[in-house]
Amino acid sequence: KNQVEQSPQSLIILEGKNCTLQCNYTVSPFSNLRWYKQDTGRGPVSLTIMTFSENTKSNGRYTATLDADTKQSSLHITASQLSDSASYICVVSADPSGGSYIPTFGRGTSLIVHP
Amino acid sequence: GAGVSQSPSNKVTEKGKDVELRCDPISGHTALYWYRQSLGQGLEFLIYFQGNSAPDKSGLPSDRFSAERTGGSVSTLTIQRTQQEDSAVYLCASSWGLAGTSYEQYFGPGTRLTVT
Repeated sequence: KNQVEQSPQSLIILEGKNCTLQCNYTVSPFSNLRWYKQDTGRGPVSLTIMTFSENTKSNGRYTATLDADTKQSSLHITASQLSDSASYICVVSADPSGGSYIPTFGRGTSLIVHP
Repeated sequence: GAGVSQSPSNKVTEKGKDVELRCDPISGHTALYWYRQSLGQGLEFLIYFQGNSAPDKSGLPSDRFSAERTGGSVSTLTIQRTQQEDSAVYLCASSWGLAGTSYEQYFGPGTRLTVT
């Protein structure tokens, strides 16, 4: 069964600090992994997308890494801002050759940045 | 350009009533997904449409749920005889291609459904 596990479930940090969120998956065959940011009351917004051959992808202060061998990904946030307070969701899609066009979502990490 | 829009943004209904949720995807996007997000849970796939192909309804939780997409554009998710466990945020996403491709999925703001 395809699964995506995220940790921690929630995280509180002070403004200006860095943090790293984790994502482990068992989706196979792997196609791509995306990180989304979801503000309260809004739909998810894409931060990064990585395919099998990509190890690192950056988007401003957000840097995602992917280890396809261990099936792990991380999202690193540098110099956090109050506006980073949100839920961060890891989503893994299977290769269509495996027959599925249904992405697998993690439950998300709720990040709170305090001033 | 305009993003994905959904209406209504909030819907409160009595148990047993039918509801219709609407999704207006980004113009030209051929793929459209419906998801459900319950409190503290990850997004749950409901159904997807791709072009003129038959939709994948494998995620619909019961036969009370149905969806259609008219003219390859607007989609409506209908829940008949609503139950309290149907209370959730219903999200729609559209894309140039299905998940598994590199095309981005753009999400709407969601419809928060509360069944009393």
